[in-house]
Amino acid sequence: EAGVAQSPRYKIIEKRQSVAFWCNPISGHATLYWYQQILGQGPKLLIQFQNNGVVDDSQLPKDRFSAERLKGVDSTLKIQPAKLEDSAVYLCASGRGGKETQYFGPGTRLLVL
Amino acid sequence: AQSVTQLDSQVPVFEEAPVELRCNYSSSVSVYLFWYVQYPNQGLQLLLKYLSGSTLVESINGFEAEFNKSQTSFHLRKPSVHISDTAEYFCAVSRSYNTDKLIFGTGTRLQVFP
Repeated sequence: EAGVAQSPRYKIIEKRQSVAFWCNPISGHATLYWYQQILGQGPKLLIQFQNNGVVDDSQLPKDRFSAERLKGVDSTLKIQPAKLEDSAVYLCASGRGGKETQYFGPGTRLLVL
Repeated sequence: AQSVTQLDSQVPVFEEAPVELRCNYSSSVSVYLFWYVQYPNQGLQLLLKYLSGSTLVESINGFEAEFNKSQTSFHLRKPSVHISDTAEYFCAVSRSYNTDKLIFGTGTRLQVFP
């Protein structure tokens, strides 16, 4: 089966600009996760969707980050405006929820100058 | 709240030597434990997981990890490493009920030399 798809793979922007990342999960996976992985750190969950509803967004900086999963399939994560400290790899994962395995995409590497 | 500590940021080792990557966690509730591997320019892949039952879990490529509740550890071991095992390894924990939120450690970079 096809894995989790993410685009773009790389993005370079200047601070205060906007950027959006796209994720297409594995077919049939109801749960979708966005993680932020800063260099030298482990991934940190930003937001979790169950179908098109938000389950957990407690660590999402809501003043600048937003995410949506309108039809319960693919998802978009947006940063507006970007700050230098947003430079990181943004990982999307999907799964069937609960103790089922989370499958990760290749990530989008963001550099904010 | 749960947390994960991976004390070794880098572990250099020669090919065919044994290796142990350490992982300790803290939690006031029952947990599930995971090891993920990240090869260069690739996404995270699940290596193995402990949910319940036998405390020793194995992966298909020769890694194993043992859940030690008294020491709150879940160390990853392999008796003989290959060059292809060079990667970043992440330990993660989640509560065993009411959530599937993963808390990751900071990772250990395993570098295997010929």
